[in-house]
Amino acid sequence: GENVEQHPSTLSVQEGDSAVIKCTYSDSASNYFPWYKQELGKRPQLIIDIRSNVGEKKDQRIAVTLNKTAKHFSLHITETQPEDSAVYFCAASRDTNAGKSTFGDGTTLTVKP
Amino acid sequence: DAGVTQSPTHLIKTRGQQVTLRCSPISGHKSVSWYQQVLGQGPQFIFQYYEKEERGRGNFPDRFSARQFPNYSSELNVNALLLGDSALYLCASSLVSVGTQYFGPGTRLLVL
Repeated sequence: GENVEQHPSTLSVQEGDSAVIKCTYSDSASNYFPWYKQELGKRPQLIIDIRSNVGEKKDQRIAVTLNKTAKHFSLHITETQPEDSAVYFCAASRDTNAGKSTFGDGTTLTVKP
Repeated sequence: DAGVTQSPTHLIKTRGQQVTLRCSPISGHKSVSWYQQVLGQGPQFIFQYYEKEERGRGNFPDRFSARQFPNYSSELNVNALLLGDSALYLCASSLVSVGTQYFGPGTRLLVL
């Protein structure tokens, strides 16, 4: 089955700096890669996703890049703000079926004011 | 519109007992998935149901079962509870089986 590895497990940045979280996946048939943000005690919320026919996607301060050959994808957050502090999860699935996603173990991002 | 709802929010059980967790998807969503999230880890896929049929099962023992009702709500049942079943159980719904999924608030299960 699919295996998703996520690094780093914790990340601390100063407000205004950029943050990068990286994930690798094992199943070459995976073609849908969402990123979720989970604040303490709350549900995971989708922040951005990318499909395998696209190499990069941007939404304001958030971007995701995908390298299918190397089987890795990354989340980039620019101009970080304290409210970006949360746990971020990457995930991968086949057939763009997010309902059968394999998740990474999460990255705890702390943005210091 | 109401989001995905789950009940109960918290539950305490003892080893060997059985538990039933419930999920109501977003109105119009026909796909429901269940995930187990152990503290400090990412959600782990348990089941997906679409149009009342099982569309996928993760690497969980037969003690775990689920079903989806005609109104697309779903139940997750866990029999013969073990201490290791203590976790946050998340339900997620999507419009179609390949759509973006939206998570409910979860049910926190503690097995003593």
